[in-house]
Amino acid sequence: AQTVTQSQPEMSVQEAETVTLSCTYDTSESDYYLFWYKQPPSRQMILVIRQEAYKQQNATENRFSVNFQKAAKSFSLKISDSQLGDAAMYFCAYRRGQGGSEKLVFGKGTKLTVNP
Amino acid sequence: NAGVTQTPKFRVLKTGQSMTLLCAQDMNHEYMYWYRQDPGMGLRLIHYSVGEGTTAKGEVPDGYNVSRLKKQNFLLGLESAAPSQTSVYFCASTLLPGQGNYGYTFGSGTRLTVV
Repeated sequence: AQTVTQSQPEMSVQEAETVTLSCTYDTSESDYYLFWYKQPPSRQMILVIRQEAYKQQNATENRFSVNFQKAAKSFSLKISDSQLGDAAMYFCAYRRGQGGSEKLVFGKGTKLTVNP
Repeated sequence: NAGVTQTPKFRVLKTGQSMTLLCAQDMNHEYMYWYRQDPGMGLRLIHYSVGEGTTAKGEVPDGYNVSRLKKQNFLLGLESAAPSQTSVYFCASTLLPGQGNYGYTFGSGTRLTVV
């Protein structure tokens, strides 16, 4: 079974600084997708960024970027120019490629605090 | 376009009581999921459905039942609530693979407390 590990239960960053959240996963599949979700205190799950395993280029969405290391099964999230609104729980998630039930497997999350 | 709607948003149950959580989506999504979120545990899959009339067990199915009689609705039932089922419950849905956007849409969650 696929597993997702987030080794940092909590992280903190100063406003305007850069922070990197770690995620590793275990799978025997070659076709899969990886996601980072943000969960603010409102509880809403918000998609931050996603990466297709077949793409070598790292995904980028404005201040958010990933470092996807397929051989190492690592998928870290970098947040640049951190803002107070970035404070939230961040979840890394994995999904098999086509042919499965498409279910997401989540890590346990990293709580990010942004200090003014 | 409401997306995924969960009802109720909050509920307090006594041990042994039963209840049903409703998830409704208006995006014609084929796949639907129920997750529970507990502190330090992330989101764990309870049950899921790959289409109308189908259901399957996830990672933590014990104590729950589900039904998908209509494509747009996915119901999660607790027949005899236990304090261990105190949690926040999320519903999510997504399209079939190959249908373009493979993103997931989540509901806003139901906070359930069993006393």
